[in-house]
Amino acid sequence: DQQVKQNSPSLSVQEGRISILNCDYTNSMFDYFLWYKKYPAEGPTFLISISSIKDKNEDGRFTVFLNKSAKHLSLHIVPSQPGDSAVYFCAASAYNNNDMRFGAGTRLTVKP
Amino acid sequence: DVKVTQSSRYLVKRTGEKVFLECVQDMDHENMFWYRQDPGLGLRLIYFSYDVKMKEKGDIPEGYSVSREKKERFSLILESASTNQTSMYLCASSLSTGGYGYTFGSGTRLTVV
Repeated sequence: DQQVKQNSPSLSVQEGRISILNCDYTNSMFDYFLWYKKYPAEGPTFLISISSIKDKNEDGRFTVFLNKSAKHLSLHIVPSQPGDSAVYFCAASAYNNNDMRFGAGTRLTVKP
Repeated sequence: DVKVTQSSRYLVKRTGEKVFLECVQDMDHENMFWYRQDPGLGLRLIYFSYDVKMKEKGDIPEGYSVSREKKERFSLILESASTNQTSMYLCASSLSTGGYGYTFGSGTRLTVV
């Protein structure tokens, strides 16, 4: 029973364009959401997060949007760069829990 | 530079062997986690620990056990390795409870033959 779902296994975009990665969750207890980026042969690294009291968080080229009513969040990367090519994992946790749940990941390819 | 270090990048073990995967963090984090990563399934939580000698089951604990005798070290044990445990294993640590990002190790690619 996956509580965090990323339904697109892959995404390909042209350099300079916008990349939009989507994530859905089922557990209404989740109140903190994160995106991780993973390169081959490396562990995931934290990218950006958002708490449930917000609907948008921006950090440079990366923006995360949260729609609580739809239990949906998205990561926007603009402009996309070839170095952004990686697997992106969506993750969620509840404040009073020690553990985090991850989606299956979306492989982003940014073409020069 | 803070780190989570996993002792092996690649391991090949035989079916039925007892396998130890070691993880050490130097950040004085309370929480440590073991995940496995499989294509199409993402990262699935096996076990976690929020204190020395404490452990909690994650979503897929069957066939695994853990040990945390010291704060900085969290070991994953495959009691009797099976081919369906072939996977990438990722260790992570975090400073406090939910909502804070994890620091991950580089992973151990385990193949059970």
